[in-house]
Amino acid sequence: GENVEQHPSTLSVQEGDSAVIKCTYSDSASNYFPWYKQELGKRPQLIIDIRSNVGEKKDQRIAVTLNKTAKHFSLHITETQPEDSAVYFCAALRNSGNTPLVFGKGTRLSVIA
Amino acid sequence: DARVTQTPRHKVTEMGQEVTMRCQPILGHNTVFWYRQTMMQGLELLAYFRNRAPLDDSGMPKDRFSAEMPDATLATLKIQPSEPRDSAVYFCASGFPPGGMQYFGPGTRLTVL
Repeated sequence: GENVEQHPSTLSVQEGDSAVIKCTYSDSASNYFPWYKQELGKRPQLIIDIRSNVGEKKDQRIAVTLNKTAKHFSLHITETQPEDSAVYFCAALRNSGNTPLVFGKGTRLSVIA
Repeated sequence: DARVTQTPRHKVTEMGQEVTMRCQPILGHNTVFWYRQTMMQGLELLAYFRNRAPLDDSGMPKDRFSAEMPDATLATLKIQPSEPRDSAVYFCASGFPPGGMQYFGPGTRLTVL
């Protein structure tokens, strides 16, 4: 089955700097890759996703890139702000209709003002 | 803005007691997932349903956990008897394949004394 590895497990950046979180997946048939943000005490919320027919997707300060050959995808946050501090989860799905998302272990991002 | 709802939001109980957690998926979503989150284990998939039928419950301790969908608007997760190691946040999520997107409820924070 699918296995998703996420790095780093913790990340601290200065406000205004960029943050990059990387994930690798094992199932070459996976074709949907969402990212979730979970603030302390809150639910995980979908912030951006990418499908395998696209190499990059951007939404304001966040972007996701996908390298299907290497089977890895990354979340990029530019101009980080204190409110970006949260745990970020990547996930992968083989869209056969009968399999759930497989999540990485999460990255705790701290943005230092 | 449709959201997954969960009740109760917090539950404190004593070891040995039965615990029932409820989830109302987003209207029209036919897939429901139950996750458990602890600091050590991240997001752990317990079970999921499609069109009210269980597809996989291999993540659940079978002797004490049970999950059901009595109807399309209600999913339940029961623990009987509860143990202190069951203390965690339990999230329900819903989605509608083949898109792959999943939306999480606010969670039930369970404390077993």
